[in-house]
Amino acid sequence: AQSVTQPDIHITVSEGASLELRCNYSYGATPYLFWYVQSPGQGLQLLLKYFSGDTLVQGIKGFEAEFKRSQSSFNLRKPSVHWSDAAEYFCAVEATGGYNKLIFGAGTRLAVHP
Amino acid sequence: GAVVSQHPSRVICKSGTSVKIECRSLDFQATTMFWYRQFPKQSLMLMATSNEGSKATYEQGVEKDKFLINHASLTLSTLTVTSAHPEDSSFYICSAERGGTFVTEAFFGQGTRLTVV
Repeated sequence: AQSVTQPDIHITVSEGASLELRCNYSYGATPYLFWYVQSPGQGLQLLLKYFSGDTLVQGIKGFEAEFKRSQSSFNLRKPSVHWSDAAEYFCAVEATGGYNKLIFGAGTRLAVHP
Repeated sequence: GAVVSQHPSRVICKSGTSVKIECRSLDFQATTMFWYRQFPKQSLMLMATSNEGSKATYEQGVEKDKFLINHASLTLSTLTVTSAHPEDSSFYICSAERGGTFVTEAFFGQGTRLTVV
């Protein structure tokens, strides 16, 4: 069965610092991978997605993620964090049997210090 | 961009009553919508897949008689929590799948916070 692991429940960084959020997946075939951001009490916004091709994916708000098949990872990065990036971040993988049927990781809550 | 609207955003109901949550795709047609549930400080768990004109497909462990899903049109899916109890209190989020030339994409609503008292 597919699964997604986000090892870091909570991360705090200083504004302007670089950021990397980890995501590991378990999936038999080539996965479709996603990163979403959720602000408090809100729905989810898609940051970026990987289907195939270039393993370095560029997303919105200056985020990027790199798919590494050998490590079963899809880590999210941003070179310089802004205070407005404080939110909950979810990594997700497409579930078998449905293109947009997603399995989410537990999420990583990002706090940004001024 | 594609917009998915959920209504209401917040609802408080008494135990034993039923609550209906609407999920609308405002500027595209969605043959498939998904309903998720999110407990506080936890991830989203898929409850069911809603297909226009047919019965919903529920995930294992989700009571279909308790969580009634109706997808009557290409722009509207509803989730009705029947005979709600305090343990049903949660954040419910829908997503709608928009077809594209090469690939589809799902867009999420803003969520509905249900509190059962």
